Amino acid sequence: DTAVSQTPKYLVTQMGNDKSIKCEQNLGHDTMYWYKQDSKKFLKIMFSYNNKELIINETVPNRFSPKSPDKAHLNLHINSLELGDSAVYFCASSRGVNEQFFGPGTRLTVL
Amino acid sequence: GEDVEQSLFLSVREGDSSVINCTYTDSSSTYLYWYKQEPGAGLQLLTYIFSNMDMKQDQRLTVLLNKKDKHLSLRIADTQTGDSAIYFCAETGRGTYKYIFGTGTRLKVLA
Repeated sequence: DTAVSQTPKYLVTQMGNDKSIKCEQNLGHDTMYWYKQDSKKFLKIMFSYNNKELIINETVPNRFSPKSPDKAHLNLHINSLELGDSAVYFCASSRGVNEQFFGPGTRLTVL
Repeated sequence: GEDVEQSLFLSVREGDSSVINCTYTDSSSTYLYWYKQEPGAGLQLLTYIFSNMDMKQDQRLTVLLNKKDKHLSLRIADTQTGDSAIYFCAETGRGTYKYIFGTGTRLKVLA
């Protein structure tokens, strides 16, 4: 019954690897987001898709590529992982510009 | 650019009231939100207020908005140990999907 789910919950990997995080929502929302929360708990928007169309693309290295196969899914692929990519990544969804609902987060550790 | 500030820490005794403050710079803010993040979890929406309101009450939560001073506060009455968490305020403008989150306030409730 989880509204916004993410997999995996934890991801530990070596520098230079490529990894993906998946997000799914069953709320019938049309907009999905990726946020990055650093070790100081600062939360910043990275990307947003509305009806599978990219609408927010903040200053994020192009090693990060979001993909939205349909309205219920938004995946995040990261190439050539760096130490600074270590963070908790949150997916969220909303109906239009209404309140956003967050997933449980994926803790990425790059060694 | 837009900025949202919060004090980083707040410590209260169980049963007391907690007041968490937030200041923002965007004068076109339309919606302001309060989210709660428990350890190892995602963000949970607590409440929100429209910019044309001064106050909103929801059970133990009271939100006050001073639009002139761009100041938002969240009061938690009869604070319990289960209220210990990080509280984030967020603002967004009319018709925009982008939330600007505050720095988060870590609330510690002492038994």
